[in-house]
Amino acid sequence: AQSVSQHNHHVILSEAASLELGCNYSYGGTVNLFWYVQYPGQHLQLLLKYFSGDPLVKGIKGFEAEFIKSKFSFNLRKPSVQWSDTAEYFCAVNAGGSYIPTFGRGTSLIVHP
Amino acid sequence: GAVVSQHPSWVICKSGTSVKIECRSLDFQATTMFWYRQFPKQSLMLMATSNEGSKATYEQGVEKDKFLINHASLTLSTLTVTSAHPEDSSFYICSALTSGSETQYFGPGTRLLVL
Repeated sequence: AQSVSQHNHHVILSEAASLELGCNYSYGGTVNLFWYVQYPGQHLQLLLKYFSGDPLVKGIKGFEAEFIKSKFSFNLRKPSVQWSDTAEYFCAVNAGGSYIPTFGRGTSLIVHP
Repeated sequence: GAVVSQHPSWVICKSGTSVKIECRSLDFQATTMFWYRQFPKQSLMLMATSNEGSKATYEQGVEKDKFLINHASLTLSTLTVTSAHPEDSSFYICSALTSGSETQYFGPGTRLLVL
């Protein structure tokens, strides 16, 4: 069975710092990749997704992620974070044509002014 | 975008009672709905997958007689926690998928507290 690893469990940054959250998965075949964000007290929202094509995917709110097949990675990046980016971030993977995603355990991001 | 609602948003009940949580897709038809459970500071744990008009498929370790799922229409799925116990206290989240799409849309979640 596939697994998804998010290595950073807690990240604390100052505003305007750059962000990179790691996501690695274990599956050798075709994958669909997602990043979701959960703001405090709110539901999960889709930030961005990769199905095929350009491995550099741009999402909402200035986020982007790069799919590196050789590294089985789909890291999330943002060049300059804001206080409002404080949230939980979840990486998810659909593997082998399945529409049922496997979620990583999440990364808690705190951005302080 | 697609909107999924859940009702109630939070519920407190006594041990031994049953609680029903509704999940609705408001502006699209959901051929498949998912129920997740999220523990504090942890990821989402998939409990079951339900397709409209058929029995739900439960993940390993999830008691189907305790967590009853009904997906009676293309816009509504319900999760009933039967004979709830304090250890069932958690955050329950549903999501919905429409035919031909691989993107799930999540509801806001229901916080259950069993006393």
